[in-house]
Amino acid sequence: GAVVSQHPSRVICKSGTSVKIECRSLDFQATTMFWYRQFPKQSLMLMATSNEGSKATYEQGVEKDKFLINHASLTLSTLTVTSAHPEDSSFYICSASPQKLTEAFFGQGTRLTVV
Amino acid sequence: AQRVTQPEKLLSVFKGAPVELKCNYSYSGSPELFWYVQYSRQRLQLLLRHISRESIKGFTADLNKGETSFHLKKPFAQEEDSAMYYCALSGRGSQGNLIFGKGTKLSVKP
Repeated sequence: GAVVSQHPSRVICKSGTSVKIECRSLDFQATTMFWYRQFPKQSLMLMATSNEGSKATYEQGVEKDKFLINHASLTLSTLTVTSAHPEDSSFYICSASPQKLTEAFFGQGTRLTVV
Repeated sequence: AQRVTQPEKLLSVFKGAPVELKCNYSYSGSPELFWYVQYSRQRLQLLLRHISRESIKGFTADLNKGETSFHLKKPFAQEEDSAMYYCALSGRGSQGNLIFGKGTKLSVKP
């Protein structure tokens, strides 16, 4: 199956700083990638759809200026959490699908802790 | 409204017992339904999808459009089936844009 890799898998940052999370499709090109957030013991919530070469589409309630998404190539999307606060602490997961497939392949997730 | 409902947060059964994880959905149109599984310390992975109508690891799920359900079943649970199970849907033709249920934790006791 297709492989999606996230980096880092775990990050701790101080309040007020920014942190970047990378999502790469290793063996396929992805014009679209998805970013999810998962709170403890809760389901995944779609945050935004990352579109290669154009602006991301954000779900209702997600601050686009706080969660910056860049999809500069067909294999890489980045999520930058700006001016992080402790309430941004969460598990962030990306997914992508090879063209003509609706199955989503997930990254291993990034555990963000803001202290 | 598009929604996936998994009514059970936790389902605990003994090894060898039948398992049914419930999933109901609400969607205007013809969705694709999926079951994803997350084993301990592993990433989410696809278990099965309604289009393929196949059995994976002994699990099956039938799409019931009348009841808008996509329950996951296995006749004899194994300890290694213990995991978090998520039901999800996407619009036909969409690429990976999924709406997830809240998940059901399956615990299979020896």
